[in-house]
Amino acid sequence: QVQLQESGPGLVRPSQTLSLTCGVSGYAISGGYYWGWIRQAPGKGLEWIGSIYYGGTTYYNASLKSRVTISEDTSKNQISLKLSSVTAADTAMYYCAREIAGYGAFDVWGQGTMVTVSS
Amino acid sequence: DIQLTQSPFFLSASVGDRVTITCRATQGISNSLAWYQQKPGKAPKLLIYGASTLESGVPSRFSGSGSGTEFTLTISSLQPEDFATYYCQQPNSYPYTFGQGTNLEIK
Repeated sequence: QVQLQESGPGLVRPSQTLSLTCGVSGYAISGGYYWGWIRQAPGKGLEWIGSIYYGGTTYYNASLKSRVTISEDTSKNQISLKLSSVTAADTAMYYCAREIAGYGAFDVWGQGTMVTVSS
Repeated sequence: DIQLTQSPFFLSASVGDRVTITCRATQGISNSLAWYQQKPGKAPKLLIYGASTLESGVPSRFSGSGSGTEFTLTISSLQPEDFATYYCQQPNSYPYTFGQGTNLEIK
């Protein structure tokens, strides 16, 4: 059974870099799926941040592209998200999820981690 | 970017009712559409992908249809555990986008 677990600081200062990891258990990330990051501001809808495919091919939301980096660490079986120059608008619940190959839908989600941007 | 508009925004219904939620795309996306259910404090749960394929383990009272620019999610007979927020998502082209959500409440 595949499980995803996000982790990282719950509080980030404005202008700093938000760094999160997504630990994957029950499946090797090198196995061929896409892995994505999605966020949800308090009381708001879902926003796709970006996805990574084994081997490092990445796709980012253009609205965040200049600030986002998604990477993989196959030795630790985890996916990472970095978002630079954060502002209060980046305050959100951040989810990692597995993307169904060929369909682009997210079938397995982590529980999410709340990140607040505040001084 | 492809924008998705869901209707209605709010839906009040009773246990046993049949309900339909619509998702319209600003351009054709073939059958590239997914539906999710989200309960407060929880991650979204995939219900439907490829517009009409039921995710494993999802009750058969959920069904999806449509192609091109108009899609529907139907719940044939509402159960108490179905009261939640529902989102559509298009994975046809980047950036993936989501609808604004439909809040399904108990009448």
